Amino acid sequence: EVQLVESGGTLVQPGGSLRLSCAASGFTFSSYNMNWVRQAPGKGLEWVSYISGSSISIYYADSVKGRFTISRDNAKNSLYLQMTSLRAEDTAVYYCARAIGTIDIWGQGTMVTVSS
Amino acid sequence: IVLTQSPATLSLSPGERATLSCRASQSVDSYLAWYQQKPGQTPRLLIYDASNRATGIPARFSGSGSGTDFTLTISSLEPEDFAVYYCQQRSHWPRTFGQGTKVEI
Repeated sequence: EVQLVESGGTLVQPGGSLRLSCAASGFTFSSYNMNWVRQAPGKGLEWVSYISGSSISIYYADSVKGRFTISRDNAKNSLYLQMTSLRAEDTAVYYCARAIGTIDIWGQGTMVTVSS
Repeated sequence: IVLTQSPATLSLSPGERATLSCRASQSVDSYLAWYQQKPGQTPRLLIYDASNRATGIPARFSGSGSGTDFTLTISSLEPEDFAVYYCQQRSHWPRTFGQGTKVEI
């Protein structure tokens, strides 16, 4: 069964840092591009970042560029999102999502709350 | 690229036809997907590349369009279809989603 399981979400103070992880199983992880997508409480979906299977191509939304870093470890079937200089507006459920072209599989998400 | 979905809310009854629109601020060719999200659940891929149903998606869901104008049609609403629907483009960076259309009873 294809599965994506996020972890690492928690309450963090403004200006703080956090690292999210996503554990993949049930498919050949290195063959797929991966994304982070977030959803603020009661709001719509916002694409955050993308990394290709080989980590050669990486892209970010303007709202997180320079603060967030996406990475992956294909040997560990894992995707990461290092978040720094966190702001209240970063509060959201963060989803890990698989893509070949279109995003087709989503994890259940991990909640990040930025508040003092 | 800005994706504008309309209407924001669609109030219909089971058995009725639903027509949802997604308009792009510039051409995205056919690189547009539709997702369904129910409360408390993860988004589910319905349609990819404008008109292709994803695996396991019922035939009552169909997508059409290219360039800047796209439509998701649900031919006859089932009770489980009441949800929020998002379009998303993968033609340009950054990837973007529409703001969503809520289909309510």
